[in-house]
Amino acid sequence: GDSVTQMEGPVTLSEEAFLTINCTYTATGYPSLFWYVQYPGEGLQLLLKATKADDKGSNKGFEATYRKETTSFHLEKGSVQVSDSAVYFCALNRDDKIIFGKGTRLHILP
Amino acid sequence: NAGVMQNPRHLVRRRGQEARLRCSPMKGHSHVYWYRQLPEEGLKFMVYLQKENIIDESGMPKERFSAEFPKEGPSILRIQQVVRGDSAAYFCASSPPRDTLSGNTIYFGEGSWLTVV
Repeated sequence: GDSVTQMEGPVTLSEEAFLTINCTYTATGYPSLFWYVQYPGEGLQLLLKATKADDKGSNKGFEATYRKETTSFHLEKGSVQVSDSAVYFCALNRDDKIIFGKGTRLHILP
Repeated sequence: NAGVMQNPRHLVRRRGQEARLRCSPMKGHSHVYWYRQLPEEGLKFMVYLQKENIIDESGMPKERFSAEFPKEGPSILRIQQVVRGDSAAYFCASSPPRDTLSGNTIYFGEGSWLTVV
């Protein structure tokens, strides 16, 4: 069945470092792809999305490009901040059901 | 436009009691989803509902769990005879009809944290 695999955390970086969180998916057809972020004690917020191949989603300095050939949707940010510390979930939408990866916890050190 | 509203935010129940979690979708949204997040784990799909219909309940445990989304009022996730293993965060999400521009994006509430003691 459809699935999402993302790199295991925690990921610890210093402020202003470059961030990459890898995400690959297995699915038939062309699902929509998403990144959600969860801050401590809160729900999930949609960070960005892409609905077709080669689309780039971007928000708050984060970017991810839908790569059909590598079935990937890696999350990147050029310069992270302490406030970016959270858990990040990669997800796909298949038949109105969102399937999530296990999440990657990100710690940013000042 | 208010977001997805869940209540209660925190609920404590003794083993054997019932837990009821409520979810009001965003205005204009006709689809509701429930997900469960166990400590330090990802989100697991439980059920997908439209008004008065269960569309997909493949993630619901076979016993003690039920969900509804009546014509009027919020969606309810009901857990009967709770056990310690039911302790988790339960997230509701909603989405608009699929024929809209954002039809395949779902928006989450802030969650209901259930603790069974």
